[in-house]
Amino acid sequence: QSALTQPASVSGSPGQSITISCTGTSSDVGLYNYVSWYQQHPGKAPKLMIYDVGDRPSGVSNRFSGSKSGNTASLAISGLQAEDEADYYCSSYTSSSTVIFGGGTKLTVL
Amino acid sequence: QVQLVESGGDVVQPGRSLRLSCAASGFTFSSYGMHWVRQAPGKGLEWVAIIWYDGSNKYYADSVKGRFTISRDNSKNTLYLQMNSLRAEDTALYYCARVGSGSYHPDFWGQGTLVTVSS
Repeated sequence: QSALTQPASVSGSPGQSITISCTGTSSDVGLYNYVSWYQQHPGKAPKLMIYDVGDRPSGVSNRFSGSKSGNTASLAISGLQAEDEADYYCSSYTSSSTVIFGGGTKLTVL
Repeated sequence: QVQLVESGGDVVQPGRSLRLSCAASGFTFSSYGMHWVRQAPGKGLEWVAIIWYDGSNKYYADSVKGRFTISRDNSKNTLYLQMNSLRAEDTALYYCARVGSGSYHPDFWGQGTLVTVSS
């Protein structure tokens, strides 16, 4: 099964808002509301930022939000801060009872 | 607090076997499913396998199916990944992660253990 499709990179200035897309198929993103997003800083383990499309774990800033339309999910980050610079990955549960990740998006804060 | 500590990573030759372990603490291990996820050097995340809280169901990525086996010992709060017929492309940092309550996403992650397959 192919990875979910994410843009390789996005960038924004401090204070701005950005969106990262994650495109799958009707067998994963489009089928279930089990899309999650992870932030990974260099040399660190991934950190859960959004789960079940739009829910935020305790302790994650409300500047992070998630949504989904059809086979495409999105992560939005508002009020960009320098510490948001990281790699971001989406993932989805699939009709095969497996999990699939996106290829990752490098966020640069200019 | 939730803690996951992986171990067992090593340098091994192609075709050999290796078993990874993940020691869990800070939560009721027997109530949660668990994942293995790997990351090749400089690459993205790749899901490997999932096991239900009681070990009753296990699912694998196509890339490891038939070669890797996920298992758990709830009496020892430990997750395992038995890796056989290792290939160069299995070289990666292997993370264990807990399955989020009521869902399927990995929520808490360990720091990973490095597996290098090389002759």
